[in-house]
Amino acid sequence: QVQLVESGGGVVQPGRSLRLSCAASESTFSSYSMHWVRQAPGKGLEWVAVISSDGSEIYYADSVKARFSISRDNSKNTLYLQMNSLRPEDTALYYCTRGGYGDPQGSFDIWGQGTAVTVSS
Amino acid sequence: EIVLTQSPGTLSLSPGEGVTLSCRASQSVDSRFLDWYQQKPGQAPRLLIYAASSRAPGISNRFSASGSGTDFTLTISRLEPEDLAVYYCHQCASPPYNFGQGTNLEI
Repeated sequence: QVQLVESGGGVVQPGRSLRLSCAASESTFSSYSMHWVRQAPGKGLEWVAVISSDGSEIYYADSVKARFSISRDNSKNTLYLQMNSLRPEDTALYYCTRGGYGDPQGSFDIWGQGTAVTVSS
Repeated sequence: EIVLTQSPGTLSLSPGEGVTLSCRASQSVDSRFLDWYQQKPGQAPRLLIYAASSRAPGISNRFSASGSGTDFTLTISRLEPEDLAVYYCHQCASPPYNFGQGTNLEI
């Protein structure tokens, strides 16, 4: 079964940037849409962004639009989330998760263990 | 934007009991794109149910789900201590792919 491993989290000051990565263990990665979902401490799940398998469709939650950028490198089986202008409310555990085959629709059947982001001065 | 509202927020039950969780959507959701996830303490979420009523691989048949349109339910029979978790409904039909706020199940 495909495994997803996130990395890149850490402590960052407000206004700064951070890039998260999510490495997939198999090349089937390139056939599926991929999502980022976050969870603030003690809170529920919040969908953040999605990219289709070929990168042609990208959508963001309003809370991160214009600040975050999702991308993927299918040759490296890796998903990215570039986070700019970070705010304290972006503090969360960030999960990458596999979505539908090809397009963004479809259940999130595989999840990573998450990488923690803390935005604080 | 589709908003999902789950009820109740918290449930406290005993082993052996059964429970039904509710998820109501602000507008009709194609049942092919309504899921349920289980998140145990300290763990990543896990897909429980997809397409409103289909169990994901490896999920116990104690879990069942149904619904259509704006009303969906997840039923857990014969509760076990390991069912302690937060349960989320989710729509993957159209962005933003929102989750419900979750139902916290205490055993």
